[in-house]
Amino acid sequence: DAGVIQSPRHEVTEMGQEVTLRCKPISGHNSLFWYRQTMMRGLELLIYFNNNVPIDDSGMPEDRFSAKMPNASFSTLKIQPSEPRDSAVYFCASSFYQGNTEAFFGQGTRLTVV
Amino acid sequence: GQQVMQIPQYQHVQEGEDFTTYCNSSTTLSNIQWYKQRPGGHPVFLIQLVKSGEVKKQKRLTFQFGEAKKNSSLHITATQTTDVGTYFCAVTTGANSKLTFGKGITLSVRP
Repeated sequence: DAGVIQSPRHEVTEMGQEVTLRCKPISGHNSLFWYRQTMMRGLELLIYFNNNVPIDDSGMPEDRFSAKMPNASFSTLKIQPSEPRDSAVYFCASSFYQGNTEAFFGQGTRLTVV
Repeated sequence: GQQVMQIPQYQHVQEGEDFTTYCNSSTTLSNIQWYKQRPGGHPVFLIQLVKSGEVKKQKRLTFQFGEAKKNSSLHITATQTTDVGTYFCAVTTGANSKLTFGKGITLSVRP
């Protein structure tokens, strides 16, 4: 397996634009996590899916953020409209069973909003 | 939600010195995981501890889960420059078992 695949690796966009980040989890994994990493706040859990169903989205900053998982092999995180404070590295991770088993991280998407 | 504390956030050691860091919780944990993130990289799973007092070793790294399952330690013997990176502890919280991370400790090693 190629591991968790995220795209794009880097994204630079202007304030106000829509940004879509993509993630393909490891085949057979039932849980998917989206994290945001910044120097100030560390690794924050944004949203967590189990069997394609959003289980906990309490970490989603505001209504500008949305996430979907239409099937077991694909998830998106959308920011609309984007703001400079959204600049961060966004990681997707998957695990076989919730947070109780090893989480495998993708390479991350470095987002810069100017 | 439940939080785990990792203090300090940065530590600098001379190559060859030992290094120990801790992860502390105010509540009893069901399990704890440790991850390492190299500069510019992504977090990589190191170990999971489940049992009270459990000790696991990986070469020069020793991981321990406290008897009360409220804290954990990571000890590195004779640090090397390859040990550079940020070490995170992570715990599952709530009935839905979401995985949340501590702030991490960034280790630098002087050659």
